[in-house]
Amino acid sequence: DQQVKQNSPSLSVQEGRISILNCDYTNSMFDYFLWYKKYPAEGPTFLISISSIKDKNEDGRFTVFLNKSAKHLSLHIVPSQPGDSAVYFCAAVENTGNQFYFGTGTSLTVIP
Amino acid sequence: DAGVTQSPTHLIKTRGQQVTLRCSPKSGHDTVSWYQQALGQGPQFIFQYYEEEERQRGNFPDRFSGHQFPNYSSELNVNALLLGDSALYLCASSFVRQAYNEQFFGPGTRLTVL
Repeated sequence: DQQVKQNSPSLSVQEGRISILNCDYTNSMFDYFLWYKKYPAEGPTFLISISSIKDKNEDGRFTVFLNKSAKHLSLHIVPSQPGDSAVYFCAAVENTGNQFYFGTGTSLTVIP
Repeated sequence: DAGVTQSPTHLIKTRGQQVTLRCSPKSGHDTVSWYQQALGQGPQFIFQYYEEEERQRGNFPDRFSGHQFPNYSSELNVNALLLGDSALYLCASSFVRQAYNEQFFGPGTRLTVL
């Protein structure tokens, strides 16, 4: 059973516009959420995270929003740049565990 | 700092064979986690090793086993390979007292089972 879902396999955005990537989860025990970026032939690299006690975390062009009641989080990239083109994974961790649960990923293409 | 390294990069095996994948953690890290990423899927947690013991395990059969050495490096062993074991195998390392966002991934080993 997929506890973390990314329902959009792909997204295309014009350079300079906003990219919004979405993620839904089903497990109410998740208390920490992360976004990873993955280029081909490389491992995922950490991008930004958020604790369940917050509803927003910002780092430069990247902002993650968490809506606990809806069990939904989103990643906003503003402005989008061609170098942002990659596969983005959201991940979640339970408050008692060490296991990361990953979504299936969204492939973002930023068009120059 | 070399970061997390994995070997080999690619591997081709046939059904029924056994395979060993290797991981060297980032300098200063003492915890190693293994993930399987099938094509079009996200990484799936296999298990985590700390202090040379399996600390937590995901939903994988006993054919998947591991080991952690005193220098914190780790091996993932898969016995009786199935076609469905074809995937990218990712190793991630961290320090036990660090925050979750301090987990670093290696580039992975691409395993193909024919």
